[in-house]
Amino acid sequence: EVQLVESGGGLVQPGRSLRLSCAASGFSFDDYAMYWVRQAPGKGLEWVSGISWNSASIDYADSVKGRFTISRDNAKNSLYLQMNSLGPEDTAFYYCAKRSRGMYGMDVWGQGTTVTVSS
Amino acid sequence: SYDLTQPPSVSVSPGQTASITCSGHKLGDRFVSWYQKKPGQSPVLVISQDAKRPSGIPERFSGSNSGNTATLTISETQSMDEADYYCQAWDSTTAVVFGGGTKLTVL
Repeated sequence: EVQLVESGGGLVQPGRSLRLSCAASGFSFDDYAMYWVRQAPGKGLEWVSGISWNSASIDYADSVKGRFTISRDNAKNSLYLQMNSLGPEDTAFYYCAKRSRGMYGMDVWGQGTTVTVSS
Repeated sequence: SYDLTQPPSVSVSPGQTASITCSGHKLGDRFVSWYQKKPGQSPVLVISQDAKRPSGIPERFSGSNSGNTATLTISETQSMDEADYYCQAWDSTTAVVFGGGTKLTVL
């Protein structure tokens, strides 16, 4: 079964850091680009970051550029999101997602993990 | 930054056709995907690359993209289709932008 499982969310104080992980299984992880997408309470989906299969191409939303770092370890079938200088605006449900094979779409999503930034 | 505009809400009667639009500058030059999002559930890809329907998605879902507008069409709408729908435009294989979302009500 193709599966993505996020972990690492929680309650963190403003200005602190948090690292999210996404464990992939059931597919050849190193064949696919991967993404982080978030949804703040009562808001819509927001793309956060994307990384190519070989980490050669990486992009960030303007809202997180310079604060968040995406990375992957293909040997461990894992995707990561290092989040620094967190603010209340980063409070959201964070999903990892996989690119569709040969197409422009995100066809597999994890169940998500909650990040709450509050003092 | 690139902006995508969706209507906040669309209503449709059961069995009728629902159309949800997504507008952006020269959107037809980009690939567009559509996602269904229900409360408490992860997003589901319903249309990829403008008009391709992933495995398991009913034929009732179709998509088009031309000029400045992409459209998700749901024919013979059912109560189970009630959800938020998001369009997504691709800048590259690693950069995308989402529309603000449309709440589809089936009544």
